[in-house]
Amino acid sequence: QLQLQESGPGLVKPSETLSLTCTVSGGAISSSSYYWGWIRQPPGKGLEWIGSIYYSGSTYYNPSLKSRVTISVDTSKNQFSLKLSSVTAADTAVYYCARRGRDGYNWFDPWGQGTLVTVSS
Amino acid sequence: DIQMTQSPSSLSAAVGDRVTITCRASQSISSYLNWYQQKPGKAPKLLIYAASSLQSGVPSRFSGSGSGTDFTLTISSLQPEDFATYYCQQSYSIPWTFGQGTKVEIK
Repeated sequence: QLQLQESGPGLVKPSETLSLTCTVSGGAISSSSYYWGWIRQPPGKGLEWIGSIYYSGSTYYNPSLKSRVTISVDTSKNQFSLKLSSVTAADTAVYYCARRGRDGYNWFDPWGQGTLVTVSS
Repeated sequence: DIQMTQSPSSLSAAVGDRVTITCRASQSISSYLNWYQQKPGKAPKLLIYAASSLQSGVPSRFSGSGSGTDFTLTISSLQPEDFATYYCQQSYSIPWTFGQGTKVEIK
């Protein structure tokens, strides 16, 4: 059974870089059938797709965040990572990692449990 | 960006009720529409993909329909474990976008 687990600091200072890692277990991140993605949810609000990566390193980003986002993959560790630079309070959210289908319908399943990142000095 | 608008934003229903949630896209998205269920403090769970395909393991009381700009998620007989927030997501074009959510509460 595929499982994803986010990890990283829960508190980041304004203007600094948020860094999170998603560890995939129960399956290979190098599967040709899937992408891997990050989605966030500000407290009490809706969901926002951040970006996705293929095991080869090919990436797709939300244009609204593209200038600040980098997603990378480490197939040897079965992990992929998110970096979001120049954070502000508006970046406070629960960050989820998820597997993304590559069948053209781009669904997300399963998801990690999520990790709350608070941006505050 | 494609805007996704769900209605209603919340609803109250009793166990056994038939519940319908609507999702409207700001432009045609064919059948590139997915539905998720989120319970408090938990990650979203995929219910329906490609507008009407039931994800493996999801109870058959959940169904999806629609194409183009108008879509519906139907719960044929609401169960206690179905009280949650439901989100639609368009997967037609980047950036993938979600509706604002519909909270299903106990009447």
